[in-house]
Amino acid sequence: DVKVTQSSRYLVKRTGEKVFLECVQDMDHENMFWYRQDPGLGLRLIYFSYDVKMKEKGDIPEGYSVSREKKERFSLILESASTNQTSMYLCASSLPAVPEAFFGQGTRLTVV
Amino acid sequence: AQKVTQAQTEISVVEKEDVTLDCVYETRDTTYYLFWYKQPPSGELVFLIRRNSFDEQNEISGRYSWNFQKSTSSFNFTITASQVVDSAVYFCALSEAGRNYGQNFVFGPGTRLSVLP
Repeated sequence: DVKVTQSSRYLVKRTGEKVFLECVQDMDHENMFWYRQDPGLGLRLIYFSYDVKMKEKGDIPEGYSVSREKKERFSLILESASTNQTSMYLCASSLPAVPEAFFGQGTRLTVV
Repeated sequence: AQKVTQAQTEISVVEKEDVTLDCVYETRDTTYYLFWYKQPPSGELVFLIRRNSFDEQNEISGRYSWNFQKSTSSFNFTITASQVVDSAVYFCALSEAGRNYGQNFVFGPGTRLSVLP
């Protein structure tokens, strides 16, 4: 079974803090994604990575950056957290030739 | 550009009722995939079904069934004899063919289903 693991289920951070959300997958998938989920808006893509050190901006990259130094790990970075970044963050992975994504359990981030 | 619409924001039914969740999509591609995911209160998205654009056959899996109609760009999901455990947010998604499917993965806003005992 594919397993996508996010480092935290719940996080509370202060405004202005640098925040790291970590995601690890164990199936050697090339693609990894970070989504943000907000009520009524569904999942919106923040960043997409199709290989180590390769990334593409999604629909809402502002205020975020990512890092992929190893194939199995994809980190989302909030350089200076703001209250409008309070949300549920979901990581996913997939193979390029297979149209299916596998998701982690999500991290609910609250910025106070 | 591709788009997925789920017009029903929230639905409440009583246990054992049948319920249909609507999904309408937009795409200019002729080759694409459609998906349904379930998100229970635990938060993880659980894959339910994938359908490719060349296969309009309806599918049934236990109490779940899916109706794909290209003529109306719809991919609706029906739960028969609903149960409390079906309570979740359900997402419809679209992935267009390309050099990498992951680049074109788009989700609808989700429908929150509450099944009351």
